[in-house]
Amino acid sequence: DTGVSQNPRHKITKRGQNVTFRCDPISEHNRLYWYRQTLGQGPEFLTYFQNEAQLEKSRLLSDRFSAERPKGSFSTLEIQRTEQGDSAMYLCASSLNGRGAEAFFGQGTRLTVV
Amino acid sequence: AQKITQTQPGMFVQEKEAVTLDCTYDTSDQSYGLFWYKQPSSGEMIFLIYQGSYDEQNATEGRYSLNFQKARKSANLVISASQLGDSAMYFCAMRGLNNAGNMLTFGGGTRLMVKP
Repeated sequence: DTGVSQNPRHKITKRGQNVTFRCDPISEHNRLYWYRQTLGQGPEFLTYFQNEAQLEKSRLLSDRFSAERPKGSFSTLEIQRTEQGDSAMYLCASSLNGRGAEAFFGQGTRLTVV
Repeated sequence: AQKITQTQPGMFVQEKEAVTLDCTYDTSDQSYGLFWYKQPSSGEMIFLIYQGSYDEQNATEGRYSLNFQKARKSANLVISASQLGDSAMYFCAMRGLNNAGNMLTFGGGTRLMVKP
């Protein structure tokens, strides 16, 4: 499978716990994006990387959220001290550089905070 | 800032008929790209079609075509010969091509249900 891979697919956690998600992009893609999608809404941009550099973060990304892409390959998104409002689908996408380069999405990680 | 509006929360279409999903957008960018994605119940976003703001011809990809009307700032998706497997959420998205990040702004989506 050469698509974008996300793990785990589902995560249920208690409020206040920390969670970490992983994204493996398409191997030759140097851009990697994280989006959050709440029920009934379209995805919202969280942050993106070009290679290992995190170049932009949305205001949605509070200080409890941190993302890394240490070697410019896979990425992790960590949420500390989870809150019920963090319950959502977290989508990862990757793309090549260049105008019009389409983004390929993974199947997402659905987080439920109880 | 960019904004995408999809005014149809849900739509029904009879199998084998054509359907148009509406999308209007607002942006201050002179150069931008418009995208449509399909999201089945499995959750992944599947890329369907792309239209650049300076493309003179409407984009087509198989049964999908994009009716791009720049002056009206609309980018409607037309699906011809609907199939039962087309039942899903459909999202219109855009990004400014002069934006270094190329991140996407999505609309709220339209749920399409194909009736047999």
